Amino acid sequence: GAGVSQSPRYKVAKRGQDVALRCDPISGHVSLFWYQQALGQGPEFLTYFQNEAQLDKSGLPSDRFFAERPEGSVSTLKIQRTQQEDSAVYLCASSAAPASGLYEQYFGPGTRLTVT
Amino acid sequence: AQKVTQAQTEISVVEKEDVTLDCVYETRDTTYYLFWYKQPPSGELVFLIRRNSFDEQNEISGRYSWNFQKSTSSFNFTITASQVVDSAVYFCALWGFMNTGFQKLVFGTGTRLLVSP
Repeated sequence: GAGVSQSPRYKVAKRGQDVALRCDPISGHVSLFWYQQALGQGPEFLTYFQNEAQLDKSGLPSDRFFAERPEGSVSTLKIQRTQQEDSAVYLCASSAAPASGLYEQYFGPGTRLTVT
Repeated sequence: AQKVTQAQTEISVVEKEDVTLDCVYETRDTTYYLFWYKQPPSGELVFLIRRNSFDEQNEISGRYSWNFQKSTSSFNFTITASQVVDSAVYFCALWGFMNTGFQKLVFGTGTRLLVSP
């Protein structure tokens, strides 16, 4: 079956531009997570959706970051007025059940964002 | 606060050598979960193992084995007879409660393993 897919795989944006990153989770998965992975670092949590509800957005670094999952499947992470420090790989993960350590998260290949 | 430390930034071995990747964690939770993920050059994180805090039995899966010791807050990963295909970045992660009251996955900084022929 299909895994988690993300698009685009690579994105170059000029500072100040807005970008939108898409995540297609595994069909039927309830939970969806976004992570930010800086070069040479581990992924860091950004936000969590259970179906269409955004239950935790405590990891979003600023109000320039916005995520949505309007129909409980595809999710979009939007970054407004991109800054150089936003350059990173953005990973999406989905899980079959509500967020719990009992259920593994399946990760997509990520979108590498470079802000010039 | 939850924290995962992977002190080894990069390890280089020759094929067929055994290698151990270290992971030390901090948590005040009594119930928590520990994970190992592999990140090959393609970028996708691949799940390897999950262990809950009440199960300290070591686990073996083929050439992979894991040693969980609550007394030292460690969850180390050993690859026996390493192969070139094992070359990747390996992440240890902890699932537990944050100060926000929500649970989430906290990753270490990763260990890059290079296996040469």
